[in-house]
Amino acid sequence: DTGVSQDPRHKITKRGQNVTFRCDPISEHNRLYWYRQTLGQGPEFLTYFQNEAQLEKSRLLSDRFSAERPKGSFSTLEIQRTEQGDSAMYLCASSLGTGLHNEQFFGPGTRLTVL
Amino acid sequence: TQLLEQSPQFLSIQEGENLTVYCNSSSVFSSLQWYRQEPGEGPVLLVTVVTGGEVKKLKRLTFQFGDARKDSSLHITAAQPGDTGLYLCAGARQGAQKLVFGQGTRLTINP
Repeated sequence: DTGVSQDPRHKITKRGQNVTFRCDPISEHNRLYWYRQTLGQGPEFLTYFQNEAQLEKSRLLSDRFSAERPKGSFSTLEIQRTEQGDSAMYLCASSLGTGLHNEQFFGPGTRLTVL
Repeated sequence: TQLLEQSPQFLSIQEGENLTVYCNSSSVFSSLQWYRQEPGEGPVLLVTVVTGGEVKKLKRLTFQFGDARKDSSLHITAAQPGDTGLYLCAGARQGAQKLVFGQGTRLTINP
């Protein structure tokens, strides 16, 4: 399978704990995006990378959130001191940097539940 | 403030009926994409439209981009239970990489 993969698919944690999610993009894609989706809503943009450079961050990305893409391939999203309001589906997407229309392809998501 | 407004938010119809979902904005988008999402899964790209007035067909699905590139519609002919899902429109503004999503239309097709 050559699509976007995410790990884990589900994470249950207690409030105050740290969690880390991983995303592996489609291999030839140099842009990688993180979105968050809460129940009944469309995804909301968090941040994106072109290769290893983080080029944009949303105001939604508080200082408890950090994302990295150290070698321009996979990316990690860490949430420190989780809060119940962090419970959501975290989606990763990738796109070709040279693509004309920025078509983004999504992974299956990581469902986070903070107790 | 929702940049992209989808309507209706919920739609339940019988198999064989036709339907249209709308995606509206006051902003201009350089491209607009439609996705379908199943419960517990990520959105799956259906189509991208980029030219004002463009119409694209995908089997029984017809997508249209408004002339001013501010709105779009999805029309399904002879809906089938397999069409059930959450339909999302998403737009990219000129020069921006991020997608802005509508809140989605949850479609249920009853046998």
